[in-house]
Amino acid sequence: AQSVTQLDSHVSVSEGTPVLLRCNYSSSYSPSLFWYVQHPNKGLQLLLKYTSAATLVKGINGFEAEFKKSETSFHLTKPSAHMSDAAEYFCVVSMNYGGATNKLIFGTGTLLAVQP
Amino acid sequence: DTAVSQTPKYLVTQMGNDKSIKCEQNLGHDTMYWYKQDSKKFLKIMFSYNNKELIINETVPNRFSPKSPDKAHLNLHINSLELGDSAVYFCASSQDGGLRGAKGNTIYFGEGSWLTVV
Repeated sequence: AQSVTQLDSHVSVSEGTPVLLRCNYSSSYSPSLFWYVQHPNKGLQLLLKYTSAATLVKGINGFEAEFKKSETSFHLTKPSAHMSDAAEYFCVVSMNYGGATNKLIFGTGTLLAVQP
Repeated sequence: DTAVSQTPKYLVTQMGNDKSIKCEQNLGHDTMYWYKQDSKKFLKIMFSYNNKELIINETVPNRFSPKSPDKAHLNLHINSLELGDSAVYFCASSQDGGLRGAKGNTIYFGEGSWLTVV
């Protein structure tokens, strides 16, 4: 069975400092992994995804994530936080349903706060 | 143009009422979904349709009935609303994966519909 665990429910950083949001996954086969961001009272926006190509994935807004099979991790990083990065971040693993559709399994979310 | 649009964005209604949330996607995708986000921000799939055919039904009470008149629309009708139905409901869509599977296909979400049952 597929699952993801987000290790921190809250992360607080200062503006201009690095961001690290941790995610570990469990999958019985090669997973597809995603990071989505949700700003307050907004929908879900895709930041980046891993689908068995390059293990270092670059996304929007300066975010990137590295797929590490040996550690079953897919941590999200950004070199320098901006105030606008304050949001809820979801690590997600995808499960396929016979080709026609897939099912996203969400982590519990990490709330990122950025202090001025 | 909004890729996945859902209406209404906010809905406050009384227990026992019946309400619908509409969703449309203009991405030409074959598959559409409904996800529910509870008060603790946990997101879980409810339904998935592919070309108007129900694919996933995640043990949702039968008071919830999705309807897909065509592959660009997936509406959610809820009968006899209960307090516990208060949540944010997200519509989403993705492209059919075909033989290689849809596992890596991006799912695009709408802005959400905030339902409050009082």
